[in-house]
Amino acid sequence: GNSVTQMEGPVTLSEEAFLTINCTYTATGYPSLFWYVQYPGEGLQLLLKATKADDKGSNKGFEATYRKETTSFHLEKGSVQVSDSAVYFCALSERYGGATNKLIFGTGTLLAVQP
Amino acid sequence: GAGVSQSPSNKVTEKGKDVELRCDPISGHTALYWYRQSLGQGLEFLIYFQGNSAPDKSGLPSDRFSAERTGGSVSTLTIQRTQQEDSAVYLCASSLGLGDYEQYFGPGTRLTVT
Repeated sequence: GNSVTQMEGPVTLSEEAFLTINCTYTATGYPSLFWYVQYPGEGLQLLLKATKADDKGSNKGFEATYRKETTSFHLEKGSVQVSDSAVYFCALSERYGGATNKLIFGTGTLLAVQP
Repeated sequence: GAGVSQSPSNKVTEKGKDVELRCDPISGHTALYWYRQSLGQGLEFLIYFQGNSAPDKSGLPSDRFSAERTGGSVSTLTIQRTQQEDSAVYLCASSLGLGDYEQYFGPGTRLTVT
């Protein structure tokens, strides 16, 4: 079945460091890909998404490119801030009857940014 | 506007009791999803609704779990004869419809089975 694999955490970085969180997926068909973020004490929020190969999703300085050839959707940010400390989830959406619906999540990666 | 709301925020119950968890989606959202977040299993899909119908119940862990949605709005997830392994955070999400619409998540209900 479809699945998402993302790097184990925690990832600990100093402020202004470069961030990469790796995510690879296994899927039949052409899923959409997502990064969700969960800040401490808050609910899951969509960070960015890409719906087809070579699309780049971006938001709040974060970027990820849908790579079909490597089945990857790595999350990057050039300069992290303390406020980026959160748990990041990579996800794909399955299609049922031609429409996307349920999300399949990776295990989550805790990012801790130190001042 | 109001986001997805869930109640209760916390629920502690004894093993063997039944519990009901409620989700109020964003007004106008026709699709509604239930997920479960637990230490052992991560974030996993349970069931989704389009309107009042549930085309995909494949994620429900056992027949002790059921869900319904009425009036195309509020949904209730019921767990009968709760077990300790049911302890988790139950998340509800809604979206404008099926397709590439963003799913908006509620704050979750933390269920603890003692």
